[in-house]
Amino acid sequence: GENVEQHPSTLSVQEGDSAVIKCTYSDSASNYFPWYKQELGKGSQLIIDIRSNVGEKKDQRIAVTLNKTAKHFSLHITETQPEDSAVYFCRPSSRGGSNYKLTFGKGTLLTVNP
Amino acid sequence: EAQVTQNPRYLITVTGKKLTVTCSQNMNHEYMSWYRQDPGLGLRQIYYSMNVEVTDKGDVPEGYKVSRKEKRNFPLILESPSPNQTSLYFCASSRSLETSGGPTNTGELFFGEGSRLTVL
Repeated sequence: GENVEQHPSTLSVQEGDSAVIKCTYSDSASNYFPWYKQELGKGSQLIIDIRSNVGEKKDQRIAVTLNKTAKHFSLHITETQPEDSAVYFCRPSSRGGSNYKLTFGKGTLLTVNP
Repeated sequence: EAQVTQNPRYLITVTGKKLTVTCSQNMNHEYMSWYRQDPGLGLRQIYYSMNVEVTDKGDVPEGYKVSRKEKRNFPLILESPSPNQTSLYFCASSRSLETSGGPTNTGELFFGEGSRLTVL
């Protein structure tokens, strides 16, 4: 199965700074790379994703970059705000064949200090 | 409103007393799954279902059962709960696509709000 490692496990930044979270995976067949955000007391929600045919995708203050050769992808949040404080999960997967057994990273607790 | 609904949201029970956590989605999704979330371990998949009457084990299925008799519902059953099943549980659903390689997950999971279970 897929081995997924996510770093760092905790990250504390000042409001306005940037935050970067990295996800490393093992399955070279992985071709879908999403990031989920889990706010306190809530279920996770997809915030951005990227497919293997592109190297970077941006949505306002959030971006995801992909390095397929090195098998890692990263979440970038610029101009962080207190409402960005949450736990973030990565979940690489393959769209081919049986990919229903989904493996998440262990999560990164991001704290944005005002 | 598209949503995944779990019940109960909070439950305290005792060892050995059977319980069921319900999960229902209104998006006509084929794929449904249960996860447990524990400190330092992230989200671990318990069971998943690709469609009605099709279920399979995730990474941590021991002590759990599921059923998928209807497309919208995917209950999680703890026949004889133990304290090590104290956790935060999430149900999720997703659409599936048919590809040349067989059915596949589209990627985006929709999560319920979570059920916090304590087994004494």
